[in-house]
Amino acid sequence: QSALTQPPSASGSPGQSVTIPCTGTSSDVGSSKYVSWYQQHPGRAPKLLIYGVTERPSGVPDRFSASKSGNTASLTVSGLQAEDEADYYCSSLSGGDNVVFGGGTKLTVL
Amino acid sequence: QVQLQQSGPRLVKPSQTLSLTCAISGDSVSSNSAVWSWIRQSPSRGLEWLGRTHYSSTWSNEYAFSVRSRITINPDASRNQFSLQLTSVTSEDTAVYYCGRGWAAFDIWGQGTTVTVSS
Repeated sequence: QSALTQPPSASGSPGQSVTIPCTGTSSDVGSSKYVSWYQQHPGRAPKLLIYGVTERPSGVPDRFSASKSGNTASLTVSGLQAEDEADYYCSSLSGGDNVVFGGGTKLTVL
Repeated sequence: QVQLQQSGPRLVKPSQTLSLTCAISGDSVSSNSAVWSWIRQSPSRGLEWLGRTHYSSTWSNEYAFSVRSRITINPDASRNQFSLQLTSVTSEDTAVYYCGRGWAAFDIWGQGTTVTVSS
């Protein structure tokens, strides 16, 4: 059982927006500046989409955005495209120096 | 650009030691600004951070609570690489193992190594 809770699946039609929540506790997401999001296509390594709760690495489209409220972080994918179909994972610093991940959300583009 | 190349055995017998190496190109294992981690992924446990090593006047390691008694991460500055050793493995340690760069967010990942624990 993963430390952070994500819905197992989410879906949307091309052009729509989808938001994926990631719920933790006051010991991780709620108190951490180090919440990240990853995209993983089958057979590939995860790719960093968001770090520091809301920051995008260079090269990540601005269709990907994130936020946090209390113990829940959220990733929003706007203007859904076929290539956005993938698994999405959140992570957070926990207990000072450990990193915990969410169980992952499979995003389907209808 | 920074690349990480993993190597090591893909089959390990129960109770033995899993050993993997991650060779770094385009960055330095001894960099004061870089942190080097190991992460694994399995259907049963999902993504799981295992530990990290980093240098800032001295070497430091931090390990996940779940594997703390069995794990060692060693940097090798002469070869610009770092390694993972996990002792007393069981079937629960069967997973895809990744090396990565980062403290809490991992921006560079190795290609992944599928390690199976089986006799």
